[in-house]
Amino acid sequence: KNQVEQSPQSLIILEGKNCTLQCNYTVSPFSNLRWYKQDTGRGPVSLTIMTFSENTKSNGRYTATLDADTKQSSLHITASQLSDSASYICVVSGGTSYDKVIFGPGTSLSVIP
Amino acid sequence: NAGVTQTPKFRILKIGQSMTLQCAQDMNHNYMYWYRQDPGMGLKLIYYSVGAGITDKGEVPNGYNVSRSTTEDFPLRLELAAPSQTSVYFCASNAPGGELFFGEGSRLTVL
Repeated sequence: KNQVEQSPQSLIILEGKNCTLQCNYTVSPFSNLRWYKQDTGRGPVSLTIMTFSENTKSNGRYTATLDADTKQSSLHITASQLSDSASYICVVSGGTSYDKVIFGPGTSLSVIP
Repeated sequence: NAGVTQTPKFRILKIGQSMTLQCAQDMNHNYMYWYRQDPGMGLKLIYYSVGAGITDKGEVPNGYNVSRSTTEDFPLRLELAAPSQTSVYFCASNAPGGELFFGEGSRLTVL
């Protein structure tokens, strides 16, 4: 069964600290992996996208890694800010059509002063 | 550039009532999607469309219907609302193989 799991379910960190979010997937075949940020009450917004051949992708303070052999990805946030408080969703695509896209449940991140 | 626009943002329905969630995009995308997001769960695909006049079922289509008469609009219809349909609904669009753009969501409560 195609699944995407994320850990931790929730996380609280102090402003300025770094954190790493995890994503494990069993989706096959694999096309690409995306990380989305979803602010409370808003729609998800894309942060990064990685294909099979890419190991890392950065977007400002966000750095995503991908190990296609172990089917694991991580999202590292550097020097966290209060505005980073959101849900971070790992999304794995099994093909070019979006009916083959599997969304993870998300990690809820709270950054406190 | 408005992107993907959903209405209404909030709605309360009684069991058995019907309603339509509206979705419009101004990016000339052929691909459009409806997802539902339940608390603590990942987004689940309800219906999708690859172009005007073409729609297909996703993972959780029961209790819903869609139509796609134009490229811009992709409304989602609930015919007989049930408490299990209480959720947040997101409409999205993208160019083939491209990034998904989401609307702001419609929060529906069925009592």
